[in-house]
Amino acid sequence: AQTVTQSQPEMSVQEAETVTLSCTYDTSESDYYLFWYKQPPSRQMILVIRQEAYKQQNATENRFSVNFQKAAKSFSLKISDSQLGDAAMYFCAYRSALFMNRDDKIIFGKGTRLHILP
Amino acid sequence: DVKVTQSSRYLVKRTGEKVFLECVQDMDHENMFWYRQDPGLGLRLIYFSYDVKMKEKGDIPEGYSVSREKKERFSLILESASTNQTSMYLCATNPGLAGYGLATDTQYFGPGTRLTVL
Repeated sequence: AQTVTQSQPEMSVQEAETVTLSCTYDTSESDYYLFWYKQPPSRQMILVIRQEAYKQQNATENRFSVNFQKAAKSFSLKISDSQLGDAAMYFCAYRSALFMNRDDKIIFGKGTRLHILP
Repeated sequence: DVKVTQSSRYLVKRTGEKVFLECVQDMDHENMFWYRQDPGLGLRLIYFSYDVKMKEKGDIPEGYSVSREKKERFSLILESASTNQTSMYLCATNPGLAGYGLATDTQYFGPGTRLTVL
C-alpha cells in the first residue's frame, strides 16, 4: 500500500524568505500523480501544485515549486518570497495513475502547519 | 470553477442522534469522497463513490454510512453519533475517468463541516 510521510508537523519562516516543506512517499507503481494542497485557517482546501511522475521536469506555479526526486521518492515544496497569506496547513498527496483503476483514492500525508512571521 | 458545497459549516449534535451531512457539486464529477480531519492524523477517508448508487469503504468506515442517489449529491450519515465522531468533515470530488481512459486527478474540496457531538 502506498504511504505519504510529512516529517515536519510545524514550520515557521520569516516573511519574504524561502521555505521548503518535505514529503516522502512509498509506492511500487511507476506512474502516479503527486500534489501539494493548501488549507488556510477556516478556509477551503485548494490545490497548490501537481506533478506527474513520468515528467522529469519539476512543476512550478509562480512562487511555488517542487523538487521531485523519483528514485528517492521525495517530493518537497519550495515557497519563495513567503507572504502572510501562505500561512496554512499543507498536505502532500499521492494518487495512482493506473488506467481502469477504480480505486481513485488519494493518499494524504498528515500535514505541515506553516507559520509566516512578519 | 468547480463548486463543492456542504450543508453546514458548524453542527452540534447529541450522542445517539442521527446526523446527516450533505455535499453537493455542480460539475458533473464522477467521484465523490468523505474525509474526516483530525489534528495530528491528517485526512482519513471514510467512504467514496465513483457512480450513482455506488459506494466503497475507505479507511475508517465504521460508524458511518453514505448515500448517493443523484450524481451531484453525496451524503454522509452517522446513524448514532458518538463523541469520538467529533471532527472536521470534508467532502471532495474529482472528475474520475476521462474520455481517453486516463484517470483525472485533482480533488476539489468543500469548505468542511465542523461537527461537535456532546
